[in-house]
Amino acid sequence: SQQGEEDPQALSIQEGENATMNCSYKTSINNLQWYRQNSGRGLVHLILIRSNEREKHSGRLRVTLDTSKKSSSLLITASRAADTASYFCATDGEIQGAQKLVFGQGTRLTINP
Amino acid sequence: DTGVSQDPRHKITKRGQNVTFRCDPISEHNRLYWYRQTLGQGPEFLTYFQNEAQLEKSRLLSDRFSAERPKGSFSTLEIQRTEQGDSAMYLCASSKTSALRAYEQYFGPGTRLTVT
Repeated sequence: SQQGEEDPQALSIQEGENATMNCSYKTSINNLQWYRQNSGRGLVHLILIRSNEREKHSGRLRVTLDTSKKSSSLLITASRAADTASYFCATDGEIQGAQKLVFGQGTRLTINP
Repeated sequence: DTGVSQDPRHKITKRGQNVTFRCDPISEHNRLYWYRQTLGQGPEFLTYFQNEAQLEKSRLLSDRFSAERPKGSFSTLEIQRTEQGDSAMYLCASSKTSALRAYEQYFGPGTRLTVT
């Protein structure tokens, strides 16, 4: 079963605008990760944020984590056509275990040129 | 290219046939995971290995599914007596492991299975 939900399910913006995607989850986590998936391809890891971190940056990506609200957001600034993809959050609730990831349903992001 | 390879990339089979998929992880990664993804959904965990030991299997993994990782290197996922509901993308991922920190998982391109 899916751990959480991404919101919105689909997002369409103009190139150059910022894109914000949200993820909510249900149980306690050890860390939360964001992945990107181009149509019909495998997943590419974007960023990992640990449960004791509140914000993390990587290039044009900014991730926040609010464990009290069990939610995370991914911000992509200055979007480009190549950012068109599905974005998934994945939670890892294991402390010293399998690190099996539990994914949400994803946000389909379309960047219009 | 993440360094994780899967073969074949596409497989079309008739209901009732057996299929086998292969995953080659990044060489220094001792953990290997299998996930299944259906259209419009996120991946769902199936099973994982640490070295050659299969340590956990999801309830999604019926007795028609079997996975191996001989010698702790590549892994195979076999589905016996395939059913139309098995049609999905099968993803393999690998990672390092540590008791002190979590590592990101690197995913392969997936094997898309279509059961007719």
